[in-house]
Amino acid sequence: NAGVTQTPKFRVLKTGQSMTLLCAQDMNHEYMYWYRQDPGMGLRLIHYSVGEGTTAKGEVPDGYNVSRLKKQNFLLGLESAAPSQTSVYFCASSYSGLAGNEQFFGPGTRLTVL
Amino acid sequence: SQQGEEDPQALSIQEGENATMNCSYKTSINNLQWYRQNSGRGLVHLILIRSNEREKHSGRLRVTLDTSKKSSSLLITASRAADTASYFCATGRDSWGKLQFGAGTQVVVTP
Repeated sequence: NAGVTQTPKFRVLKTGQSMTLLCAQDMNHEYMYWYRQDPGMGLRLIHYSVGEGTTAKGEVPDGYNVSRLKKQNFLLGLESAAPSQTSVYFCASSYSGLAGNEQFFGPGTRLTVL
Repeated sequence: SQQGEEDPQALSIQEGENATMNCSYKTSINNLQWYRQNSGRGLVHLILIRSNEREKHSGRLRVTLDTSKKSSSLLITASRAADTASYFCATGRDSWGKLQFGAGTQVVVTP
């Protein structure tokens, strides 16, 4: 099993460009999450999904959109990238959210917006 | 806003020593989790403790939770160079599994 995979691993964008980050999991998990990690800070939740076809806002959703058309995939979109979105993005999945479950993380995507 | 805050921010120890790091949080939780992150990698789950538990062990890891003080500690015994990593606490408060992470403790274990 590959676990949680993310593509691409690295990306450089110019201000105003758009892109989509792909997260895929092969563990049949219901719940998926997108985080960003900035230097000196912990992870902050951008959006999450509790099942196929559902999405919800997290702590820092502005400037991002997500879609969960298939259970195994969770896409994060930046419509018009800004330098403030330079960060490392992590996707995670879990079996369920009830009573707490461990989250499995992907290796991350390092995004630089010039 | 961050729910958990780790202390210390950085810790340097020698192999064989124990490493202790603490996490404080602000509001009530239903579980607290610890994760490890090696440089340039994703996070790896270490241990989960529920709000009705006080202590859990997993191999060389020992986690305590004091809900009255809103704090938790992670003890790594007999540290190894491979334990060099950043350690994050994360608090869960709802049934959606959302976690709030602290800023982490950077641990360096020298041979």
